[in-house]
Amino acid sequence: QKEVEQNSGPLSVPEGAIASLNCTYSDRGSQSFFWYRQYSGKSPELIMFIYSNGDKEDGRFTAQLNKASQYVSLLIRDSQPSDSATYLCAVITGYSTLTFGKGTMLLVSP
Amino acid sequence: GAVVSQHPSWVICKSGTSVKIECRSLDFQATTMFWYRQFPKQSLMLMATSNEGSKATYEQGVEKDKFLINHASLTLSTLTVTSAHPEDSSFYICSARDPPGRQETQYFGPGTRLLVL
Repeated sequence: QKEVEQNSGPLSVPEGAIASLNCTYSDRGSQSFFWYRQYSGKSPELIMFIYSNGDKEDGRFTAQLNKASQYVSLLIRDSQPSDSATYLCAVITGYSTLTFGKGTMLLVSP
Repeated sequence: GAVVSQHPSWVICKSGTSVKIECRSLDFQATTMFWYRQFPKQSLMLMATSNEGSKATYEQGVEKDKFLINHASLTLSTLTVTSAHPEDSSFYICSARDPPGRQETQYFGPGTRLLVL
């Protein structure tokens, strides 16, 4: 079974700090990786996608991919209380099926 | 990013009734849409993949006769929960995939919260 693993958290960081969210996946053939943010009671919102090994930056967000280690991470710089949400890692597996991790809850305290 | 809408956003119904949920891609054509269900404090679970003009593909354990999916156009997919029961109460979310390309990015609708009494 194709799996995506995330620490459920909560991950607590103070405002202004860097939040580091991690994800591992089991399907070595996966090619596409996504980070979604989900506020309580809302549907997921796409933050970033990454396909190539290395870093990809978009504003305060940086996604990092290491296919050899089957590891993808999301860094949030200058964390704000409004970043408090559950962050879902998702991986395209098999025939274009998007498999989600259970999510990591992030709490940013003022 | 692409915009996906869902209607209704909230449904409260009596046990035994059927409920239809619509999912629309507003600014792009989606040959493939997906239906997910999420119970409180749990992860998204894929229910089925909806392909325009053909039958939906259901995930293991999802009853296709209970959750009817129709994808009659490139911008609309519907999910009908037939003879709903309290255990069907959940947050139903659709997503639509960008036009064919390497990105395979899925954009989610705002979700429909179903409460069956």
